[in-house]
Amino acid sequence: DSGVTQTPKHLITATGQRVTLRCSPRSGDLSVYWYQQSLDQGLQFLIQYYNGEERAKGNILERFSAQQFPDLHSELNLSSLELGDSALYFCASSVGASGDYEQYFGPGTRLTVT
Amino acid sequence: DQQVKQNSPSLSVQEGRISILNCDYTNSMFDYFLWYKKYPAEGPTFLISISSIKDKNEDGRFTVFLNKSAKHLSLHIVPSQPGDSAVYFCAATGAGGTSYGKLTFGQGTILTVHP
Repeated sequence: DSGVTQTPKHLITATGQRVTLRCSPRSGDLSVYWYQQSLDQGLQFLIQYYNGEERAKGNILERFSAQQFPDLHSELNLSSLELGDSALYFCASSVGASGDYEQYFGPGTRLTVT
Repeated sequence: DQQVKQNSPSLSVQEGRISILNCDYTNSMFDYFLWYKKYPAEGPTFLISISSIKDKNEDGRFTVFLNKSAKHLSLHIVPSQPGDSAVYFCAATGAGGTSYGKLTFGQGTILTVHP
């Protein structure tokens, strides 16, 4: 158990819909990261927040957005969903903001778009 | 543009022998490298890391070697155990730079250790 929690574990929804994935970081961790793992793309970095502020951005689609709240939990919002958005979405957390801090991953949310 | 590549999708090894997993990278700005292990239905788990100022880092049965000139790193597991069977991901970052915590992952190698 990494100490990072993600809800829900599974999500099935239709094209065009909007969903929200939630992540609670490990106690004491200020950074939250979102990654997408699809069959053909592997693990792709989406976005990082540190203490409420956006710190780094990957190839995150404009239909996707995220935020980190004052209690440090984070939400990833996916809208106008397409079949290709079906993937595993992982949240990770770390104490610091830079890449040499160990990132602890949650169990993931499996999103299926039908 | 695959900046971190693991060219072997799978590796099969006998229990007690050495497992060697390989990783190549193209971005010369990467200066910190990590290996993660992933079991089915779980998130990746950190294994071991190495800074670009070193060429070797050891932690128990796990050793990571870095060859900067070849832009190549490898993970050695000795001796291999059946519980090591998992997907292994190589990752890289420009630690401390403007990439902050962004990790760039390879595609993963499925390691199977046979009893």
